[in-house]
Amino acid sequence: QKEVEQDPGPLSVPEGAIVSLNCTYSNSAFQYFMWYRQYSRKGPELLMYTYSSGNKEDGRFTAQVDKSSKYISLFIRDSQPSDSATYLCAMSVSTGNQFYFGTGTSLTVIP
Amino acid sequence: DTAVSQTPKYLVTQMGNDKSIKCEQNLGHDTMYWYKQDSKKFLKIMFSYNNKELIINETVPNRFSPKSPDKAHLNLHINSLELGDSAVYFCASSYTRAAEAFFGQGTRLTVV
Repeated sequence: QKEVEQDPGPLSVPEGAIVSLNCTYSNSAFQYFMWYRQYSRKGPELLMYTYSSGNKEDGRFTAQVDKSSKYISLFIRDSQPSDSATYLCAMSVSTGNQFYFGTGTSLTVIP
Repeated sequence: DTAVSQTPKYLVTQMGNDKSIKCEQNLGHDTMYWYKQDSKKFLKIMFSYNNKELIINETVPNRFSPKSPDKAHLNLHINSLELGDSAVYFCASSYTRAAEAFFGQGTRLTVV
């Protein structure tokens, strides 16, 4: 079983829709959770970084962490064509030396 | 001003050759990483350095040798390249272990 599971999609939504992206994980020691956006042929770009459980909002993006269910989510409100990319979740333990990534979800926002 | 920069961006080479990829970060971070991204976009850790000291060496063939001359640089040398080494290699850095990581633009390696 992989440490982090993520539905690869692809996910296709109309412009303006609310997008929900999710990851589940098996290691209860994970405490730091990240979401990255990766455009084609580019490096992953950090979108959100959260510690432990709870919500964090930044503009149109909201990250949620539910440690009891080992489940994290990224919500994108008022989605735009420029949001079309692959979204990767990542997580680590507090004493960790690496990040464990999901396989990424490919999102297309149709104008 | 690029935070994490890698060179070259593209690398096409023949099997059996030796090649190097350079990485530099200007963020003042203590920890640097090399990740490999396969054709399915999965990112897997290869090496992790903290203050120039190797702290992670995942199951990577010993043909891959990282070198960190100082905290701001982490280079990757690959000997006797094989077809299966074709992938995108990403360098990343973070302020400390487990802190959020910032990635370079990647080096797309193609072995022919």
